[in-house]
This record gives sequence, C-alpha cells and structure tokens, in this order.
Amino acid sequence: DIVMTQTPLSSPVTLGQPASISCRSSESLVHSNGITYLSWLQKRPGQPPRLLIYKISNRFSGVPDRFSGSGAGTDFTLKISRVEAEDVGVYYCMQATHSPITFGQGTRLEIK
Amino acid sequence: EVQLVESGGGLVQPGGSLRLSCAASGFTFSSYSFHWVRHAPGKRLEYVSAISPNGGTTYYANSVKGRFTISRDNSRNTVFLQMGSLRVEDTAVYYCARDTDYGEDYWGQGTLVTVSS
Repeated sequence: DIVMTQTPLSSPVTLGQPASISCRSSESLVHSNGITYLSWLQKRPGQPPRLLIYKISNRFSGVPDRFSGSGAGTDFTLKISRVEAEDVGVYYCMQATHSPITFGQGTRLEIK
Repeated sequence: EVQLVESGGGLVQPGGSLRLSCAASGFTFSSYSFHWVRHAPGKRLEYVSAISPNGGTTYYANSVKGRFTISRDNSRNTVFLQMGSLRVEDTAVYYCARDTDYGEDYWGQGTLVTVSS
C-alpha cells in the first residue's frame, strides 16, 4: 500500500497568519492516465471529513480561496493563506491513484 | 442538497455482527460509486470497502475481506455494509462517502461501532 506521511503532525498558528502542511507519498501519485489523484480533507471536531482540494490544486465547491494546494509526483502541500478560527481541526491528505486509497496520519491545526 | 446519513452502529461483542446503512438523498444515487471509510481512535482514516454504481464491482480492504459485505439498493437509495466476525480492532466511526472523479466529495456524519465484551 502507498504510505502517506504528513508533516508537521501539529501546527499551532496565530489567527491571520499562514499555515502550511506537507504530504509525501511512498511512490509517485501520477496515474497512468496522467492525472494525480491527491486530495486534502478537513475534519473539524464533531463534523465528518470535508473535501477541500482534489487533484492536487482544485478547490472543491464552497471552499474559501485562502486554501490552496500544490505539488507533484510524491510531494504535496496544503496552504492556508490566513488562518481563521473556523479552520481549527485535523487535515488529511489522501491518494486515490493506487488501490487501496490511503490517507496521511493527519495534521492538527490549532490556534496559538 | 446532497445528504448521506449512516445508521446501524452500536455496541457488539467480539464475533458478533452488525449491518450499517447509508441513506442518500439530493442526487441521482444510481450514478455513483460509494465508499466506506472508518476512523479508529488514535489511528488514521482507513478505506474499508467500495461499490460501483450498479453493484457489480466491489472492493474490500485486506483487514475486512471475508468478514464484511458491501451492497446497495438503488430503489431505496441506500448502501449497506454487513459486518461479521467482528473484532475489537474494528471499533471505529464508520463513514459513508460518495465517490466522484475528483474524490470523495460528500461524507455522512458517521456511525460508531464499538466491539467489546
């Protein structure tokens, strides 16, 4: 199975400041069709996971533009340009290029 | 509005069985594949099972193969996960998620399964 490794595991951030989360895969996530199926999910306390970013850099419907994704191959990044209080939660990267789908271990975003 | 509502979780003894349901609304159910993903305490999310739009293709994680069965009823807009020979390590919140070309775009609230004697 593809192993997804996120850093950091915890990220204390000041409101209004940027935050960045990295995700590295054990193998390239470029599918044979040329698409990279790397997504980012947000899990707020008491809420189900929410899709934020798909195919590396595409924001899902309703996701604020302060969230952005980048990367290629095996290295990916989620950035929040200015952290707001509602962004507190755990963020997961997820790959669907290789079967089975696998997830990172999660990064906890908290406010300083 | 897209909605997925899981039910059927609860407390069960090791070796027991449960059937989870995921009722969908707000979209054309029969056009989509669905996944079950679980989240055990202190662990990362784990992909459990998947089913194609017509139910003809299914997938199971090695950890549940032979014990869990996924199915769907397109006339009732519902996906099921029949879980048998349950183990303590199956304890988790189980989520149902809709699969699209851009990922699992909608998730239910989850249902808690606790396997304990």
